[in-house]
Amino acid sequence: DGGITQSPKYLFRKEGQNVTLSCEQNLNHDAMYWYRQDPGQGLRLIYYSQIVNDFQKGDIAEGYSVSREKKESFPLTVTSAQKNPTAFYLCATDRGLTGNTGELFFGEGSRLTVL
Amino acid sequence: AQSVAQPEDQVNVAEGNPLTVKCTYSVSGNPYLFWYVQYPNRGLQFLLKYITGDNLVKGSYGFEAEFNKSQTSFHLKKPSALVSDSALYFCAVRDLNTDKLIFGTGTRLQVFP
Repeated sequence: DGGITQSPKYLFRKEGQNVTLSCEQNLNHDAMYWYRQDPGQGLRLIYYSQIVNDFQKGDIAEGYSVSREKKESFPLTVTSAQKNPTAFYLCATDRGLTGNTGELFFGEGSRLTVL
Repeated sequence: AQSVAQPEDQVNVAEGNPLTVKCTYSVSGNPYLFWYVQYPNRGLQFLLKYITGDNLVKGSYGFEAEFNKSQTSFHLKKPSALVSDSALYFCAVRDLNTDKLIFGTGTRLQVFP
């Protein structure tokens, strides 16, 4: 089945550790996004990528890093520089072939808890 | 700057009754508006969008939304609510400068049997 796979679903981390969240898609979509969700704050954009080997900072990129070496993969690293990393992280793609449509497909999310 | 507001944190409705989840927007230019739904511990799912044309947009699961330019609103509606409609609903607007979606803070819909 076509879709977006995020892993792990749950992750616990000690303060000072970097962690990497995986996002893999087999939808053949060009655009990929990482959002952070906190209660009462909606979704905030961390990073996005329109094509392979290119990515842009979103609204809250500080303390995060990404790579886009393959069309199918867009991993997110939460570094120790991120002051409040506990959150629900969502990866998404846009089905637009010649431009973004706004109709996003989301993965199931990864819940990160810092102990 | 483009933005959306969802004035209600929670909406409660009895099963079988009509439901409305409110959204207002602020954009410079013609708005591209969206509704998404999120079930517990899941990703968001696209419901419907307004780009241009008919002010009443029909989407998935029997939902529809009414675009009102004079009131700068894009309320989500359903004629008869189901318990299974209970979820978190997000309104979003496309930022015409960056081409990215800006999400509202979400409204929790609770449908009681």
